[in-house]
Formats: sequence, structure tokens, C-alpha cells
Amino acid sequence: DTEVTQTPKHLVMGMTNKKSLKCEQHMGHRAMYWYKQKAKKPPELMFVYSYEKLSINESVPSRFSPECPNSSLLNLHLHALQPEDSALYLCASSQDSENEQFFGPGTRLTVL
Amino acid sequence: DAKTTQPNSMESNEEEPVHLPCNHSTISGTDYIHWYRQLPSQGPEYVIHGLTSNVNNRMASLAIAEDRKSSTLILHRATLRDAAVYYCILRDWDNTDKLIFGTGTRLQVFP
Repeated sequence: DTEVTQTPKHLVMGMTNKKSLKCEQHMGHRAMYWYKQKAKKPPELMFVYSYEKLSINESVPSRFSPECPNSSLLNLHLHALQPEDSALYLCASSQDSENEQFFGPGTRLTVL
Repeated sequence: DAKTTQPNSMESNEEEPVHLPCNHSTISGTDYIHWYRQLPSQGPEYVIHGLTSNVNNRMASLAIAEDRKSSTLILHRATLRDAAVYYCILRDWDNTDKLIFGTGTRLQVFP
């Protein structure tokens, strides 16, 4: 299995909702990442997990809460989002932080 | 983080070679040069990376200038499937957690 899967593919939520994005990989990778990508812009790094510990938080607002329950799974919990948070959320993994990153197809999030 | 400069867009015809340039005049000695591409409606995918010497793999070749201030990604025979945004990224050996994407080059391939 050489892919990163993300669910759901699409998500529409209101500003008062709580939802979660899920990312999974079974390549034995020890580093996992969340990126945010606005339309026609490059991806922007949000969080990095290394060996299931949060190693980088790029000053992301607390309404985004990452979680790494085990080495294969990465979640992004969403609460009280704003319409400007609408974007494509990409998950990636790598063998460790020095190796190439493998990206999932992303979750397209719309906040109403 | 050192920055890269790429043309906004380029065009090619199918089966012709494509040379995608990248300028990185402030590159440091510990920066690797990485290339990723993002096909429409997909996440980015790794293409190639190098430090000082030219590199080849099944997808592309990377030519690095002797002073390392610029590099060129070479697709030897473009196909329609190569239409994508190509990102040239500097990745610090001492801080490899971060992948900082620039604005990239949108490559169009015509039949």
C-alpha cells in the first residue's frame, strides 16, 4: 500500500459545527503533515508530527486541532471555523522528516 | 527560508522536451533543491531532488548550475499527463521538516 488516503473528499460545515478530517497511511512512515491550500495558491504547511509527537505548529489558530492517535493515523479537528478557512486540506507522510513526502488527494472544505 | 523564483507559466507541445527554470540566488550550502508537481485535482507529488550534481530518475532530470544559484527541471518528452503546476523548493538539511512551496510554474502541454 503506497498511498495516503483522506476522508471525507468534500465537507461543508457551518461556523458553529465541529467536524474532523482523517488521514491514513500504511507505509510505515513516521512523519505526517497537514497543509492548507487556497484556490490557485501553493500549499502552506500547518502542522508536522514526527514519531506521533507534534514537532511543528506554524502558528495555526486554535480552532484547528491536530491529533495523531497512532503512527498510521492523523486527524484534524475543526471547531468554530470561519468562511475564510474554506480551502483544500492536504495530508502528507514521509519515512522520516528528511525523505520525500507523499500527499493524499485532500479534503475540500467549505465553511458557510 | 531561502526563496525560489519561477516563471508563472510555460507551454509545450506533446513529445517535446521541456526545461523548467528555477532561480534560487540566496541558496545556502545546506539547502537541497526539491521539485514537486501538482496535477489538477490532486495532491502534490515528488519529482526529483539534488544537492550539487545533476540527477536523473524515471520522471525527469535535474540540472544544477555550478554556483547552485539556479536549476532546471527537464522533462525529456512531455505528455498530456505532465500538465501540472511544478514547484521548485529549497529544503534545509538542518531543518528538513519544512517543505515551503513557492508559487510554482503552471505547465500547459498541447497535443
